[in-house]
Amino acid sequence: DVKVTQSSRYLVKRTGEKVFLECVQDMDHENMFWYRQDPGLGLRLIYFSYDVKMKEKGDIPEGYSVSREKKERFSLILESASTNQTSMYLCASRGTGGTYEQYFGPGTRLTVT
Amino acid sequence: RKEVEQDPGPFNVPEGATVAFNCTYSNSASQSFFWYRQDCRKEPKLLMSVYSSGNEDGRFTAQLNRASQYISLLIRDSKLSDSATYLCVVTLGGGYQKVTFGIGTKLQVIP
Repeated sequence: DVKVTQSSRYLVKRTGEKVFLECVQDMDHENMFWYRQDPGLGLRLIYFSYDVKMKEKGDIPEGYSVSREKKERFSLILESASTNQTSMYLCASRGTGGTYEQYFGPGTRLTVT
Repeated sequence: RKEVEQDPGPFNVPEGATVAFNCTYSNSASQSFFWYRQDCRKEPKLLMSVYSSGNEDGRFTAQLNRASQYISLLIRDSKLSDSATYLCVVTLGGGYQKVTFGIGTKLQVIP
């Protein structure tokens, strides 16, 4: 079974803090993704990575950066957290070819106060 | 126009009913289509892929209409456990295979 884990289920941070969200997958997948999910807006892609040290902007990259130093790990960084970044953050991974199924982690609910 | 559109619902149906959801997509170059299920406060999980010829998995049937650019999900004999949000997912071809999620349709099956 594919397993995608995220470092925290719940996180509360203050405005201006630097926030790190970690994601690890155990299936040797090349592709990894960070989404945020908000009511009425669905899942929106922040960044994705198709290989180690490679990254591409998604639909809403502003205010975020990412790091992929190892194949199994993809980190999302909020350089200076703001209240409008309060959201559910979901990491996903996917192999190449096949069904293109994405496997999601359990999510991190981030609250910025 | 949104890339992928779904009626957010909620759809409230009695147990045993048949319910259908549609999802429209705007990019005619879209190549792969999926339905994901997301339970409350959980992550999305793949329910089924959608093939051009249509496909069935038990009580669930998915269909694709490329001419009208929509996919559908039919659930027969609804169970309480089917209560969830159903996400339509559309993938563009090419090197990256851009994936777009709909906002989801909420289904509540009532006893």
